Amino acid sequence: NAGVTQTPKFQVLKTGQSMTLQCAQDMNHNSMYWYRQDPGMGLRLIYYSASEGTTDKGEVPNGYNVSRLNKREFSLRLESAAPSQTSVYFCASSAPGPQAYEQYFGPGTRLTVT
Amino acid sequence: AQSVTQPDIHITVSEGASLELRCNYSYGATPYLFWYVQSPGQGLQLLLKYFSGDTLVQGIKGFEAEFKRSQSSFNLRKPSVHWSDAAEYFCAVEGGSYIPTFGRGTSLIVHP
Repeated sequence: NAGVTQTPKFQVLKTGQSMTLQCAQDMNHNSMYWYRQDPGMGLRLIYYSASEGTTDKGEVPNGYNVSRLNKREFSLRLESAAPSQTSVYFCASSAPGPQAYEQYFGPGTRLTVT
Repeated sequence: AQSVTQPDIHITVSEGASLELRCNYSYGATPYLFWYVQSPGQGLQLLLKYFSGDTLVQGIKGFEAEFKRSQSSFNLRKPSVHWSDAAEYFCAVEGGSYIPTFGRGTSLIVHP
């Protein structure tokens, strides 16, 4: 049981390049989330998916797109990277039912945009 | 709207000393409250959570937290800190939408 996995762990992009961050969970969770973490800012929600086939914007969605490929996988795409998107990105998932409020996090992707 | 304030950006304690990390929340009803810990280079891990019932909740690694409705607080405590507790700690509040709001975090530094 790997929990939540993210790839890649590190990435350096030039301004204007695109990339997709991958996230997968093997806990049969319904909900999945993408956050960014910046120094002094805590975690800010980019997008979330309450269930397979649905996605919704979070607090900071501009410049990002997401795909809920199936119940396991939730990807985050940067179409044209900007230096302001330099951050650490975390994927998380949560279980159905009474435990739906507890989130399980992946190890993160450290992205630098030059 | 829900919000969380962690007033302390950094806390420094000596190993073996007691610890209290502060968390204040804003929410109209009784919220769901969480503390997460993030070790360097890692993702967040749940320490403990409060949903209802007993206002003193026990978590992993010897941590506990007390929900005080009158003060809108959910402070995290540990009686004796170990060097391995050095990490970033996040308080989070959720009001039933399945979307938590995280505080900005408190960095715990442990001196030997």
